Amino acid sequence: KQEVTQIPAALSVPEGENLVLNCSFTDSAIYNLQWFRQDPGKGLTSLLLIQSSQREQTSGRLNASLDKSSGRSTLYIAASQPGDSATYLCAVRPLDSGYALNFGKGTSLLVTP
Amino acid sequence: KAGVTQTPRYLIKTRGQQVTLSCSPISGHRSVSWYQQTPGQGLQFLFEYFSETQRNKGNFPGRFSGRQFSNSRSEMNVSTLELGDSALYLCASSLGGQVLDGYTFGSGTRLTVV
Repeated sequence: KQEVTQIPAALSVPEGENLVLNCSFTDSAIYNLQWFRQDPGKGLTSLLLIQSSQREQTSGRLNASLDKSSGRSTLYIAASQPGDSATYLCAVRPLDSGYALNFGKGTSLLVTP
Repeated sequence: KAGVTQTPRYLIKTRGQQVTLSCSPISGHRSVSWYQQTPGQGLQFLFEYFSETQRNKGNFPGRFSGRQFSNSRSEMNVSTLELGDSALYLCASSLGGQVLDGYTFGSGTRLTVV
């Protein structure tokens, strides 16, 4: 069974810092990996989708990398802002799960002014 | 374009009752998935529908059921509600034709069972 782990569970940084969020998964047999953002009490906002054949994806200040063989992905946030404060979730789509995503528990990020 | 729409946003129900949640996917998306989110278990997959057919089901009891209509809108039903069913229920849509497709989530329905 695919297990997805996100470390750290919580992170507090001052505004302007560059930061890295980590996601690891136990089975490298995946179609893709997707990073989401969730604000308190709200739904998920898709940030980046990386296919298994890709190494990274970029969108604005966000960059996500994927090392499928080692079962790791990182989300890099450049020049963090208070508006980046949210919970960040990664989800993998395993080859054997059909159309179900396996989620990590998330990293709760607080960016202080 | 309009995103994924879930209704209602909030629900309070009593133990033993049943509830129906609705999800309208992005126009042109034919796949709808449902997830349950709780503080303890995180996000767990319930089921996925494509062209009115259930393609995938998670490990939830039979009290949880769903369906999809010809216009791709989906409903999820929970019967004989238990306190542990209190959660945020999220719906996600995708084009559905390819396993490489990404998902777009709605804002969720917050269900409280008392």
